[in-house]
Amino acid sequence: ILNVEQSPQSLHVQEGDSTNFTCSFPSSNFYALHWYRWETAKSPEALFVMTLNGDEKKKGRISATLNTKEGYSYLYIKGSQPEDSATYLCAFTNFGNEKLTFGTGTRLTIIP
Amino acid sequence: GAVVSQHPSWVICKSGTSVKIECRSLDFQATTMFWYRQFPKQSLMLMATSNEGSKATYEQGVEKDKFLINHASLTLSTLTVTSAHPEDSSFYICSAGRVLNTEAFFGQGTRLTVV
Repeated sequence: ILNVEQSPQSLHVQEGDSTNFTCSFPSSNFYALHWYRWETAKSPEALFVMTLNGDEKKKGRISATLNTKEGYSYLYIKGSQPEDSATYLCAFTNFGNEKLTFGTGTRLTIIP
Repeated sequence: GAVVSQHPSWVICKSGTSVKIECRSLDFQATTMFWYRQFPKQSLMLMATSNEGSKATYEQGVEKDKFLINHASLTLSTLTVTSAHPEDSSFYICSAGRVLNTEAFFGQGTRLTVV
């Protein structure tokens, strides 16, 4: 059984503050780590797909890092805005398997 | 990004009836579609992988006779929950595309309530 764990489960952050949360995953047979943003009543939206140890990716105020040897990824949001409120999901794929194994998500609420 | 349309977004049905959920890829051809289920406070769990023109591959513990998947064309996959019971009440969501190291494209999800 592959376990993907995300922490914290939920987070309240003041507008303008920066924040980060964690995704941990099995390090053996790793292929790719995905981050999605899921706003209520919408489709999950892909943020990043990372495959290489040490990968860092950035999209605007959001960035992510990847450590495949120890099995974790961090998602950072700089200068949080109300529109960042969403559930952030990470998912992991194994080598040779297209199945996405998801964590339970981190629900982020930005307080204006 | 590509668009996946899922309908209905919510449905309430009586116990014992069947419910069909549709997932369409609007601007690309999806040879593979994935169906997930999410119970409250749990993660999205893959139920089955649907390949166009062939039988779906079900995950362990998912009853293939209860959750019928049809992927008759490159743009449409359907999930039918047969003889639904209250314990089938859940959030069902589809995704399309090949996801080894590229993003998956998700539908909006369907909230099923069986009464």
